[in-house]
Amino acid sequence: EIVMTQSPATLSVSPGEGATLSCRASQSVSSRLVWYQQKPGQPPRLLIYTASTRATAVPARFSGSGSGTEYTLTISSLQSEDFAVYYCQQYSDWPLTFGGGTKVEIE
Amino acid sequence: QVQLVESGGGVVQPGRSLRLSCAASGFTFSTYGIHWVRQAPGKGLEWVAFISFDGGSSQYGDSVKGRFSISRDISKNTLYLQMNSLRPEDTAVYYCAKDYCSGGTCYGHYFDYWGQGTLVTVSS
Repeated sequence: EIVMTQSPATLSVSPGEGATLSCRASQSVSSRLVWYQQKPGQPPRLLIYTASTRATAVPARFSGSGSGTEYTLTISSLQSEDFAVYYCQQYSDWPLTFGGGTKVEIE
Repeated sequence: QVQLVESGGGVVQPGRSLRLSCAASGFTFSTYGIHWVRQAPGKGLEWVAFISFDGGSSQYGDSVKGRFSISRDISKNTLYLQMNSLRPEDTAVYYCAKDYCSGGTCYGHYFDYWGQGTLVTVSS
């Protein structure tokens, strides 16, 4: 099983500032990586697929990068609606696995 | 628009069974694989099971293999999850989630639409 590790667990950021979230895989996932955003009481929402492609209607302030085992989600200027939990997920192999999540909270 | 509506959750005793349903609409159900993903209270996401677009293949997470069974009824546009021998650690919100890929040639699997989820509580 590919283990996904996200860091930090919690990120405190002021509105308007940028944020960088990390996701590490226990072996290469060859850019078969997605990011989801989840707000309280809601299901996850797809943000980024294939490591760097924004999903439909996702604002340009969200960007993904990385390769091999190391991936990053960057939010360039946090808006109030961006405070949420973010998960990465690999789809290189079964079983599909998620990282433990990064909570982005208001500082 | 794509809609996935789960039902069938509730409180069940350890060792008992429960069947979840997911009614799909807004897309061609017969051409997409579908997944179940769960989330224990206050915890992260765990992928549970997958069934291919035609029902011909399925995959399961290790924690549910041999106890859970995924199926689909294309005539009813409905996905099912039969959960047997339930354990307290199966307590979670269960989401059905549509695969991004249409047809049989997919380069991996991820989820582009999710339902709102149904809560399953396993407790005596």
